Formats: sequence, C-alpha cells, structure tokens
Amino acid sequence: EAGVTQSPTHLIKTRGQQATLRCSPISGHTSVYWYQQALGLGLQFLLWYDEGEERNRGNFPPRFSGRQFPNYSSELNVNALELEDSALYLCASSLGVLIQFNQPQHFGDGTRLSIL
Amino acid sequence: AQTVTQSQPEMSVQEAETVTLSCTYDTSESDYYLFWYKQPPSRQMILVIRQEAYKQQNATENRFSVNFQKAAKSFSLKISDSQLGDAAMYFCASPVGDTPLVFGKGTRLSVIA
Repeated sequence: EAGVTQSPTHLIKTRGQQATLRCSPISGHTSVYWYQQALGLGLQFLLWYDEGEERNRGNFPPRFSGRQFPNYSSELNVNALELEDSALYLCASSLGVLIQFNQPQHFGDGTRLSIL
Repeated sequence: AQTVTQSQPEMSVQEAETVTLSCTYDTSESDYYLFWYKQPPSRQMILVIRQEAYKQQNATENRFSVNFQKAAKSFSLKISDSQLGDAAMYFCASPVGDTPLVFGKGTRLSVIA
C-alpha cells in the first residue's frame, strides 16, 4: 500500500512569490491535514480537509490556503511568501471524520520550503 | 495557551536501559485517541503507539508502552531496552477543540552507547 506522497521534496522561492505544495493521501483516506514545522520546532496545525471541505484551520494568515480535490489529493498554497515561511511542510491523511473524530494520521516525508 | 505539554525538551538514556517521556494534555472530548509519534533525522513522522481514551488498559507495542492516567490527563511513553535507533524527536498528540490532533513541542531523545 502506497503511503502519503508529497511533492516537491524541496522548493526554493523568493520573497513575495507564491508556492504550491501537493499531497496524495493513502488510498481510502478522505481526510488530509497540513502542518508547518519550522526548524527545531514542533508541528503547527495549518489546515484540515475532509470530503472536499475545509473542516478547520489553524492560526495562520489567509495567504495560507488550500483545497482538496475529488480524488482526495490536496494542495497547499502560500501567497506573498515571507522569510519566516521557510519550514518543512508535512501532509498527513486519515480515515474520515465520520468514523471517529481523531483518527491516526499517517504522514508524508514533507516538502522543505526555503525562502530566499 | 499550550494544551499539549511535553515538559522535557531533551532526555538521554543508556543503551538497553528504560526511559519515560512525559506528556499532559487538555481536551473536552469524551472519546478520543492519544498518540506518540517519532521523528528521526530523516524527518518522517512515524506513529509509535496510540491509546484509546475509553480503554483502561495501557497500550503496548513491543518495547513501547504507555502510562495513561485519564483523570490527570497524563500520557507518558516508556521505552524499554533502548536501542540506538530510538534516538529521535518524540511528539505526543491529543485532540484540542475542533482540531483532531495538536502536537506537543517534542522531546529530543539521545541514546548513549
């Protein structure tokens, strides 16, 4: 069974640009989660999608947005990039919320976003 | 306010010895899972163990076990017979409000040969 896949592995951008990160969940998983992990820090919850709908978002500005497609894959978009956006962005997937509120989440390898 | 607290930023253990990592949480959910994840230098988050809150029995996965105290909202991880490959960041996670999982800040575990 294929795990959660994220692309690209690394992404280098400059301030003010826009970045798009992609995530494919494990087959059968309908929930996708995005987290930001700045260097040496813990995981900060960004966004949660389930069945194509945004269920919840963390304490991040509106320039962080995303969507979930009918095949349950997801994109995270970050507009007007700032230096402090440099971080590892992790995507996770789980079974849907209708089964149980907090299912075990399975993580991808992450996208390292570097802002120059 | 931090609602998932790992009070030990760093811990070390001798190879083959036992170490316990602490975690406290705060949730108003009545039925939920709690998790410990491991993040080695390769950076992938790996699920170590999970505990169902409605179960009294502590979860066990090989050398990893949990001491779950629901009333105290405490969820510690015990690693027995520590191995060099156990060296990693360990994160506990709990639901908070409308967020299925909120992670603690992590404990960096070093294993000394």
